[in-house]
Amino acid sequence: AQTVTQSQPEMSVQEAETVTLSCTYDTSENNYYLFWYKQPPSRQMILVIRQEAYKQQNATENRFSVNFQKAAKSFSLKISDSQLGDTAMYFCAFMNPFGNEKLTFGTGTRLTIIP
Amino acid sequence: EPEVTQTPSHQVTQMGQEVILRCVPISNHLYFYWYRQILGQKVEFLVSFYNNEISEKSEIFDDQFSVERPDGSNFTLKIRSTKLEDSAMYFCASSPTGSTEAFFGQGTRLTVV
Repeated sequence: AQTVTQSQPEMSVQEAETVTLSCTYDTSENNYYLFWYKQPPSRQMILVIRQEAYKQQNATENRFSVNFQKAAKSFSLKISDSQLGDTAMYFCAFMNPFGNEKLTFGTGTRLTIIP
Repeated sequence: EPEVTQTPSHQVTQMGQEVILRCVPISNHLYFYWYRQILGQKVEFLVSFYNNEISEKSEIFDDQFSVERPDGSNFTLKIRSTKLEDSAMYFCASSPTGSTEAFFGQGTRLTVV
């Protein structure tokens, strides 16, 4: 079974600074997908970024980018020029595309952007 | 932009009562899911549904739970006899065939008293 670990329960950073959220995972699969989801106070789960394991290039989405280290099974999220609206819980998630596409989530990191 | 919608947004029920949580997935999606998030904890997979049948379920999804797609548009989660520990946020999600992105609804907060 896959496991996802987020070792930072809470983080805070000044507005406009850069912050990196950590995630590690464990799997015996070679092909899989990794995601970062954002959950603001409204509680809805919003996809931030995704990475295919077979792609060496790190995914980027505007101010959000990942550092995907397949051998180390590490998948960190970098938020540049952080904004107040980035305040939320961030969940790292793993998906085996051959396993009914269910997501396995980490325990989350609560990120607070300080004005 | 199409979205997954869930109703109600908040449901309060007495212990032992049956509840039905409703979801309308995105219309051209074929994979449907229910996830649960107990307050302050991580999001947990409950069940996946494809081609009108359960494709996978977690150990949380015991005989008290059932899912149904009654009319080709709605996707429901029924909890037959609610317990206090069923209090949680329940998320419905859907994805199209061949895609890996799950689209989540806004959730239903279930409170069992």
